[in-house]
Amino acid sequence: EAGVAQSPRYKIIEKRQSVAFWCNPISGHATLYWYQQILGQGPKLLIQFQNNGVVDDSQLPKDRFSAERLKGVDSTLKIQPAKLEDSAVYLCASSFTSGVDYNEQFFGPGTRLTVL
Amino acid sequence: AQSVTQLDSQVPVFEEAPVELRCNYSSSVSVYLFWYVQYPNQGLQLLLKYLSGSTLVESINGFEAEFNKSQTSFHLRKPSVHISDTAEYFCAVRVSGGYNKLIFGAGTRLAVHP
Repeated sequence: EAGVAQSPRYKIIEKRQSVAFWCNPISGHATLYWYQQILGQGPKLLIQFQNNGVVDDSQLPKDRFSAERLKGVDSTLKIQPAKLEDSAVYLCASSFTSGVDYNEQFFGPGTRLTVL
Repeated sequence: AQSVTQLDSQVPVFEEAPVELRCNYSSSVSVYLFWYVQYPNQGLQLLLKYLSGSTLVESINGFEAEFNKSQTSFHLRKPSVHISDTAEYFCAVRVSGGYNKLIFGAGTRLAVHP
């Protein structure tokens, strides 16, 4: 079974530039999550989709961050413009929406963003 | 609001020694508890979880964790560690109901030395 795919794996940009990350979840997983993991901290949920609808974006800095999941499958997270404090690993995860395996989230390898 | 505290940021240990990684959570409602492991340059992998039933849960590679409701703890233990256990370990809590949102602790880096 293929895992959660993310690209790119690494990205270096200058502040005020824009950047986009892509995620393809595990086939059949209706729920998709984007997390931000700053060095030395645990992952923090930015946004959660169920199919193509947003169910939680309470910690997404909406003035600069946006995310979409137009067809309910893959997703894109964008930052525009980037700030120095956005340097982090951006993790994508997916899970079933119900059933006995609902509680397990499967994580991709992440995209490491460095903002100079 | 829920929160998770991992009391040790780093735990050095010699190979074949026992280890305990501590995790405490705060929540006024029922929770589900998880331990995830992150190897270098990889994503997080679920190690074990407590949803209900027996308070002692085990993983396939020898780790175990015990849910202690009175102490609001979910400490992770292994009686004998291997070099390959070197990784970052994250404790997480999810409030029952809701949308499967996980709150993570800051992580504990387990370094196993020969």
